[in-house]
Amino acid sequence: GENVEQHPSTLSVQEGDSAVIKCTYSDSASNYFPWYKQELGKGPQLIIDIRSNVGEKKDQRIAVTLNKTAKHFSLHITETQPEDSAVYFCAASQGTSYGKLTFGQGTILTVHP
Amino acid sequence: DAGVTQSPTHLIKTRGQQVTLRCSPISGHKSVSWYQQVLGQGPQFIFQYYEKEERGRGNFPDRFSARQFPNYSSELNVNALLLGDSALYLCASSLSRAEAFFGQGTRLTVV
Repeated sequence: GENVEQHPSTLSVQEGDSAVIKCTYSDSASNYFPWYKQELGKGPQLIIDIRSNVGEKKDQRIAVTLNKTAKHFSLHITETQPEDSAVYFCAASQGTSYGKLTFGQGTILTVHP
Repeated sequence: DAGVTQSPTHLIKTRGQQVTLRCSPISGHKSVSWYQQVLGQGPQFIFQYYEKEERGRGNFPDRFSARQFPNYSSELNVNALLLGDSALYLCASSLSRAEAFFGQGTRLTVV
């Protein structure tokens, strides 16, 4: 089955700096890669996703890149703000599986004012 | 529009008891998935239902079961509860074959 590795496990940055979280996956059949933000006491919130036919996708301050050959994808957050502090999860799935996701272990992002 | 709603938000059960968790998907979504999230880890896939049929099952024991109703809501049942079943149980609904939107979860504590 699919295995997703996520690094780093914790990330601390100053407000305004950039943050990068990286994930690798094992199953070459995976073709959908979402990122979720989870705040304390809440369920994961979908923040951005990318499909295997696209190399990069941006949405305001966040962007995701995908390297299918190397089987890795990354989340980039620019101009970080204290409200970006949360746990971030990457995930992978095959688009035919009606939403079955394999998650990474999570990254605790702390943005210091 | 209402998002994915789960009930109850919290509950405490004793070892050996049975529990039923409920989920209502986003209106129009026909796929519901269940995940278990142990503290400090990513969610682990338990079940997936689409059009009231089981479409996938994760590596969980037979004590875990689920079903989806004609209105696409779903229940997750766990029998013979163990201490290790303590976790946040998440429900996600999907419209297409990819994007999954999660509810706030049910925090289950087994004592």
